[in-house]
Amino acid sequence: AQSVTQLGSHVSVSEGALVLLRCNYSSSVPPYLFWYVQYPNQGLQLLLKYTTGATLVKGINGFEAEFKKSETSFHLTKPSAHMSDAAEYFCAVSFSSGSARQLTFGSGTQLTVLP
Amino acid sequence: NAGVTQTPKFRILKIGQSMTLQCAQDMNHNYMYWYRQDPGMGLKLIYYSVGAGITDKGEVPNGYNVSRSTTEDFPLRLELAAPSQTSVYFCASSLTGGAGANVLTFGAGSRLTVL
Repeated sequence: AQSVTQLGSHVSVSEGALVLLRCNYSSSVPPYLFWYVQYPNQGLQLLLKYTTGATLVKGINGFEAEFKKSETSFHLTKPSAHMSDAAEYFCAVSFSSGSARQLTFGSGTQLTVLP
Repeated sequence: NAGVTQTPKFRILKIGQSMTLQCAQDMNHNYMYWYRQDPGMGLKLIYYSVGAGITDKGEVPNGYNVSRSTTEDFPLRLELAAPSQTSVYFCASSLTGGAGANVLTFGAGSRLTVL
């Protein structure tokens, strides 16, 4: 069975500071990994995804994530936070085989950016 | 393109009432999904569909029904509403099937309160 753990349901950073949102997964087969962002009163949007190949993945709005197999992690980072980054972020995992139902979301991390 | 459109955005129901949440997509996606989002719980899959006329249960299907008579529409029906169904409901769609690298496009959500 696969699962996703997001460490920290709430993270606060100052504007201009590093953003680090943590995601660990468990999967018995090679995973596909995703980060989605949800702005207030909106649906989720894809930030970035890892499928195969390069382990450092760049997404929209200056975010990136690194797949570390040895640590079973896929942490999301951004060098300098902006006020517009305030949102809820979800990590998700699926794998190359299986049905459409097998996309598992983490519980989410609410990011607050302080002026 | 409108993407994924959900209606209504907000609804208050009394216990025992029934209602239908509407979802339509104009991207010619074969796969459609209904998720519910509860605070601190991430997204849980209720039902999904791999094409017109084909639906299947997700993780939390009890108390809900779906139909898929066309590629575009995927309504979610709540029968005999209960307070436990108070949640935010998201409809999503994807072009490709399987649990692999397919990316979901989400609607803006429907907030349902059962009193």
